[in-house]
Amino acid sequence: DTAVSQTPKYLVTQMGNDKSIKCEQNLGHDTMYWYKQDSKKFLKIMFSYNNKELIINETVPNRFSPKSPDKAHLNLHINSLELGDSAVYFCASRGQGLFGYTFGSGTRLTVV
Amino acid sequence: ELKVEQNPLFLSMQEGKNYTIYCNYSTTSDRLYWYRQDPGKSLESLFVLLSNGAVKQEGRLMASLDTKARLSTLHITAAVHDLSATYFCAVDMRYGGSQGNLIFGKGTKLSVKP
Repeated sequence: DTAVSQTPKYLVTQMGNDKSIKCEQNLGHDTMYWYKQDSKKFLKIMFSYNNKELIINETVPNRFSPKSPDKAHLNLHINSLELGDSAVYFCASRGQGLFGYTFGSGTRLTVV
Repeated sequence: ELKVEQNPLFLSMQEGKNYTIYCNYSTTSDRLYWYRQDPGKSLESLFVLLSNGAVKQEGRLMASLDTKARLSTLHITAAVHDLSATYFCAVDMRYGGSQGNLIFGKGTKLSVKP
């Protein structure tokens, strides 16, 4: 019954590879997010989608491309991975009104 | 640009002591969150503060919000080892009528020692 689920949980890959992280929410929320947590634990928004429409696109290299096939899914594809992409990536969703944000368990990406 | 400053960034406490974590933010917002993160884990929602003067308590933790001062506090009473974790405040930043997004402080790593 996981509300926001991400796969994979761990991802180790070589520089230059292309990889994807998937996120699904079963809360019926309209808005989904990708956040990046760096090695210093700092959390920063990357992208936000509202009902499949891109709302927020922060200063992120264009090697990162989000895709939302429907409002329950938001995937993150990363091309030509670099060492600096190593981080934990969190997916989150948010509903209408006073509902808070629900975070997934995170994907720890290690680029070697 | 909304900035969220949290202090202290590191806090080492003895069990049984009290302490306060501060969260200042730079522009108006009507919603502030506190999260807890254990090592290698996700973010656990602790409190959502929605209005000026809001105070919420759960166990040994109490959070408050002063929107005029743009300040939230997380007070820890009689700390116990189980409270050791990293605590984040986050301010909800809205883009027009959209759902907005969270701008996080840098986190406070709390270590409670016997």
